[in-house]
Amino acid sequence: NAGVTQTPKFQVLKTGQSMTLQCAQDMNHEYMSWYRQDPGMGLRLIHYSVGAGITDQGEVPNGYNVSRSTTEDFPLRLLSAAPSQTSVYFCASARGGAAPLHFGNGTRLTVT
Amino acid sequence: AQSVTQLDSQVPVFEEAPVELRCNYSSSVSVYLFWYVQYPNQGLQLLLKYLSGSTLVKGINGFEAEFNKSQTSFHLRKPSVHISDTAEYFCAVSSTRDDKIIFGKGTRLHILP
Repeated sequence: NAGVTQTPKFQVLKTGQSMTLQCAQDMNHEYMSWYRQDPGMGLRLIHYSVGAGITDQGEVPNGYNVSRSTTEDFPLRLLSAAPSQTSVYFCASARGGAAPLHFGNGTRLTVT
Repeated sequence: AQSVTQLDSQVPVFEEAPVELRCNYSSSVSVYLFWYVQYPNQGLQLLLKYLSGSTLVKGINGFEAEFNKSQTSFHLRKPSVHISDTAEYFCAVSSTRDDKIIFGKGTRLHILP
């Protein structure tokens, strides 16, 4: 049972480049979400989804896009990377809002 | 919209002493409440959760938390800490309206020998 799998683990981008962070879960969870973790800021919600075909914005959605075409996958797209997007990104999933989140191992992104 | 405030960014405490990490929340609808722990260089794992019922909830590693609706608080406590409790602790709130899960900024627990 793999749980929540995030790829890549590390990524360096130049300003203006685009990329997709991948997230997949094999627990048949309806709820999936993306957070970014920055020192002193905790985890901030970027986007979340309560099921396939449904996505919504979180606290800091600007500069990021998501889609949820299947229950298993929830990719996060950076449209035009900026240094302010340097962060550690976590994908998480849960059976629902009342259930505990299962986290991936994170992606450390650096934008130069 | 809901919000979470963790009042202390860092808490130093001597080993075997008690500790309380404070969390306050605001929301216009009912919420579920969680505490997560992040050990150095690791991901987050659940410590405990409050969904309904008894306001005192017990979690892993000897931690417990008390839900206080009137004060909109969910403080985390442990009667005697160990060096292995060195970690960052995050309070989180989930809205019953839209399932959005928001985290506080975290509290770093430093255990002093």
